[in-house]
Amino acid sequence: LAKTTQPISMDSYEGQEVNITCSHNNIATNDYITWYQQFPSQGPRFIIQGYKTKVTNEVASLFIPADRKSSTLSLPRVSLSDTAVYYCLVGDVDNAGNMLTFGGGTRLMVKP
Amino acid sequence: DTAVSQTPKYLVTQMGNDKSIKCEQNLGHDTMYWYKQDSKKFLKIMFSYNNKELIINETVPNRFSPKSPDKAHLNLHINSLELGDSAVYFCASSHRASLGANVLTFGAGSRLTVL
Repeated sequence: LAKTTQPISMDSYEGQEVNITCSHNNIATNDYITWYQQFPSQGPRFIIQGYKTKVTNEVASLFIPADRKSSTLSLPRVSLSDTAVYYCLVGDVDNAGNMLTFGGGTRLMVKP
Repeated sequence: DTAVSQTPKYLVTQMGNDKSIKCEQNLGHDTMYWYKQDSKKFLKIMFSYNNKELIINETVPNRFSPKSPDKAHLNLHINSLELGDSAVYFCASSHRASLGANVLTFGAGSRLTVL
């Protein structure tokens, strides 16, 4: 079973705030939520990680409700350079106990 | 300095050949990984190597073998290459600070094309 579910794609315009939500109904007690960004022809790059409530860094914010069954990555005032694939990961292993596989991620397209 | 470097960046070869992709990290991390990214952009874990512990994803054919000469290197060797092995292979590393909170640093990828 997939451990996370996120939209396949999203479109936005420059200057807008983008929110990407990830569902993780089977999150375990010791699982952290981690988001990565991948540009074409590059490896994924860590953006932000959180356990509960809200985490903010210079790149993004991560909102996690009390039940931790979902999380929302918020990118403020996106620019064209934010066009990328965004992956949500939960913990280290999937429901079968296998090491984690990234899902298909969310393809964000930022338009002028 | 590049944190996780892998070579070569591009590799074109014929079916049946044996090839290797090298990976080095200078972050002092204790765990290294190999991922395969297919045309649908799914990143699938292949191996995880922490000191002397090798964890293999059960779906990986035994034609694939990781080799770690030391803690900073994890090379990927592939025997008898097949068309379906064509993909981008990513090396990554992490410091296993706490269970469930792993943060990976990836290399730039090695695009393998099997003809």
